[in-house]
Amino acid sequence: TQLLEQSPQFLSIQEGENLTVYCNSSSVFSSLQWYRQEPGEGPVLLVTVVTGGEVKKLKRLTFQFGDARKDSSLHITAAQPGDTGLYLCAASTSGTYKYIFGTGTRLKVLA
Amino acid sequence: DTAVSQTPKYLVTQMGNDKSIKCEQNLGHDTMYWYKQDSKKFLKIMFSYNNKELIINETVPNRFSPKSPDKAHLNLHINSLELGDSAVYFCASSQAGANYGYTFGSGTRLTVV
Repeated sequence: TQLLEQSPQFLSIQEGENLTVYCNSSSVFSSLQWYRQEPGEGPVLLVTVVTGGEVKKLKRLTFQFGDARKDSSLHITAAQPGDTGLYLCAASTSGTYKYIFGTGTRLKVLA
Repeated sequence: DTAVSQTPKYLVTQMGNDKSIKCEQNLGHDTMYWYKQDSKKFLKIMFSYNNKELIINETVPNRFSPKSPDKAHLNLHINSLELGDSAVYFCASSQAGANYGYTFGSGTRLTVV
């Protein structure tokens, strides 16, 4: 069974700090996505990465897909209270409609 | 207009009852999904339909039956509800496979008492 482990599971930081969330697996994936979920809502897609070593930036968020396409990281610079939420990675093997989701990282940014 | 809408938002029901959750998407996507999110926030796929054809059917009790009358709608019917069915159920859609990303509904919180 494919498993996507995220770390840390919980993270509470002060506004302005930097943080990195990791998503790891022993499987090789064709693509990987990051989502953010707020209470009472569904996850919202942040980014999709498909090439090993690929780096994408979305304002203060930087996403990287590992060279071997088995892992990914999400780095947030100068975190803000609006970044608070549940961050989920999701990955797919080639030719499937199915993405498996990671175990999640709950981030709280304190003002 | 809401892209993926689910109804109801909340559902409280007794064990043994039968209930349905409805989902509609107005994005023109070909593929729709049902995911279950447990109390630890873990999201697990249940079913997927592509143009009304069932393409993913994970290990789910046969008390759960999806139905897709057309590619814009995917409903979930649950028979003989059990306490362990309590969770948040999310409908999602995607274009031409999930590589373009899912668009999720806001979820249905099911509580079985």
